Amino acid sequence: GENVEQHPSTLSVQEGDSAVIKCTYSDSASNYFPWYKQELGKGPQLIIDIRSNVGEKKDQRIAVTLNKTAKHFSLHITETQPEDSAVYFCAAKGDTGRRALTFGSGTRLQVQP
Amino acid sequence: NAGVTQTPKFRVLKTGQSMTLLCAQDMNHEYMYWYRQDPGMGLRLIHYSVGEGTTAKGEVPDGYNVSRLKKQNFLLGLESAAPSQTSVYFCASSYREETQYFGPGTRLLVL
Repeated sequence: GENVEQHPSTLSVQEGDSAVIKCTYSDSASNYFPWYKQELGKGPQLIIDIRSNVGEKKDQRIAVTLNKTAKHFSLHITETQPEDSAVYFCAAKGDTGRRALTFGSGTRLQVQP
Repeated sequence: NAGVTQTPKFRVLKTGQSMTLLCAQDMNHEYMYWYRQDPGMGLRLIHYSVGEGTTAKGEVPDGYNVSRLKKQNFLLGLESAAPSQTSVYFCASSYREETQYFGPGTRLLVL
C-alpha cells in the first residue's frame, strides 16, 4: 500500500518568512496530492491540492510543487502570518486498490510574531 | 448547510463498554470515511464507504465496526472499548475519491 512520509515534524519561522514542508510517497501510481490545515480543536481543512499531470499550483501565498520522478511534493507558504500557525498534513491517493487518502504524520508550524 | 457533523463531541468510556459514534453529512456525498488521530501518527483510516449500504476496511479496522444504512449517515461502533482506542475520531465525506471534508471530531477517552 501507499506510504507517505512528511518532514519536518515541527517548524518555527518568523512572521514574514517562508515555510516549506516536504512529503514523499511510495506508490508511483498515486495521482492526487492534497494538503490539509488543522487548527487546534478542529477538523482538517483542505487548503490546496495538485494532480499528477501538473507540476506546480499556486493560490495566493500558498503553492504546491510535485516531482513525480522523485515521488515527492512540497507545500510552500510565503509571507507567513501568525494565523498560519497550525498542523499541516500532506496526503496521497493512488489510482488502484484502496480508494482513500493516505496521510503524512503532520507538521506543526509555529509563526512567531 | 452544516457540512459534516459528529456526535458526540466528547465521551469517556470504561474498558469493555460499547458506544456508537454518529457522522452526518448534508452535501449528498457518496463517500464517507472514519479516521483516528493519535499524536505523531497523523490520520489513519479505520473504515470507509463508497455508497449507501457499502463498507470497506481501512488501515486500522480491528475493534471497530461501521454501518451506512442511509447515504447521509456513517456510524462507527466500538463493541468492547479498550484503552488503546483512546483517540480523536474524525469523520469525512467526499463527492468523489478526492477532496474530503472533515467533521469537528469526537474525543474519546477509554479508562
